[in-house]
Amino acid sequence: DAGVTQSPTHLIKTRGQQVTLRCSPKSGHDTVSWYQQALGQGPQFIFQYYEEEERQRGNFPDRFSGHQFPNYSSELNVNALLLGDSALYLCASSPTGGGYGYTFGSGTRLTVV
Amino acid sequence: GQNIDQPTEMTATEGAIVQTNCTYQTSGFNGLFWYQQHAGEAPTFLSYNVLDGLEEKGRFSSFLSRSKGYSYLLLKELQMKDSASYLCAVRASNNDMRFGAGTRLTVKP
Repeated sequence: DAGVTQSPTHLIKTRGQQVTLRCSPKSGHDTVSWYQQALGQGPQFIFQYYEEEERQRGNFPDRFSGHQFPNYSSELNVNALLLGDSALYLCASSPTGGGYGYTFGSGTRLTVV
Repeated sequence: GQNIDQPTEMTATEGAIVQTNCTYQTSGFNGLFWYQQHAGEAPTFLSYNVLDGLEEKGRFSSFLSRSKGYSYLLLKELQMKDSASYLCAVRASNNDMRFGAGTRLTVKP
């Protein structure tokens, strides 16, 4: 049973560029949440997708956008990258209603130079 | 909104018992979770409390007091591999989950 898979694992981008990160949830999960984790910090909630719609959103600017597909997979897009966007981006999936919490992917390490 | 506080760092000795605390404020409570995260890796689930009291799971136990907005994670018989960050997370009634900054535990021989 595959868990949560994220791609790519590492990425280097230049300031001002755009990036797309991808996530496939665990089998049986239909809700996908995205988190940004800076070094030494806890994960910060970006947004959550359910039934192909953004259901909740954290305190992130509109440069951060997302999408969920009919197969429950999801993308995180970040436009106009800033140096401060360098972080580990974590995708977490959960079943409807939350269940026993989230299953996390291994993350995408984004470096903006 | 949610506010979750955890101590930044702790140090303990191999074989010992250590307790790390979490205090929280939330508008609507639907569960408290503890995750372990080794450096550079994804968080992994340790425990879940939704009712007051103690949940025991092998060497790990977690306690919750909803009226006090307080939880702790207890680690027994510490091993070197327990050196990691321990993240407290609170799930709100709308099912989104917010994390504290985590406590970095260092286990020394």
